[in-house]
Amino acid sequence: GAGVSQTPSNKVTEKGKYVELRCDPISGHTALYWYRQSLGQGPEFLIYFQGTGAADDSGLPNDRFFAVRPEGSVSTLKIQRTERGDSAVYLCASSLQGSHTGELFFGEGSRLTVL
Amino acid sequence: AQSVTQLDSQVPVFEEAPVELRCNYSSSVSVYLFWYVQYPNQGLQLLLKYLSGSTLVKGINGFEAEFNKSQTSFHLRKPSVHISDTAEYFCAVSPMNTGFQKLVFGTGTRLLVSP
Repeated sequence: GAGVSQTPSNKVTEKGKYVELRCDPISGHTALYWYRQSLGQGPEFLIYFQGTGAADDSGLPNDRFFAVRPEGSVSTLKIQRTERGDSAVYLCASSLQGSHTGELFFGEGSRLTVL
Repeated sequence: AQSVTQLDSQVPVFEEAPVELRCNYSSSVSVYLFWYVQYPNQGLQLLLKYLSGSTLVKGINGFEAEFNKSQTSFHLRKPSVHISDTAEYFCAVSPMNTGFQKLVFGTGTRLLVSP
């Protein structure tokens, strides 16, 4: 596609439910990133994939959060037993492998609201 | 660890006036520096970056920023703003020893341009 695509754009769920957020990166981009942006804050790093493997998952807040990228393209962020504090906009970005330009291409985000 | 401070949460300005958005950072290692812009209902977009070389960097849409290592600042400037510059602006840093994958963002500055 032309840009990074994220679905759903909005998700409302109840506390304790399971949620999946999907990211489709720019074609040919092997690096993929997830960030989380809470209200009034800047984006916070969650996890970075290079190909199929998670190269850095140090930003995942706890073991309720998990992300996969089984074929090195589309990625899914999975949140178990959601809590109200998980409400945020989840941003996905992609970039070329080995890029030295430093530019990440962001999607529009998935807004998660936990009631 | 790194941190980024954007002291101004909101900057109102009249069209064709100059503007400066302030950014200060803290880091124990050398960093790359970025400004990203988020227009309403769009994803984050790279405005400009400092990787090395000249400390004055020029970006898209007439914006520029100057890296000041002694003051640990990377302020964003534009000599004459347009209505279309109304957006949220985020300053970010990335430690040089980890590349570009782990951006640390500030809390953002909302630029409001009025006629």
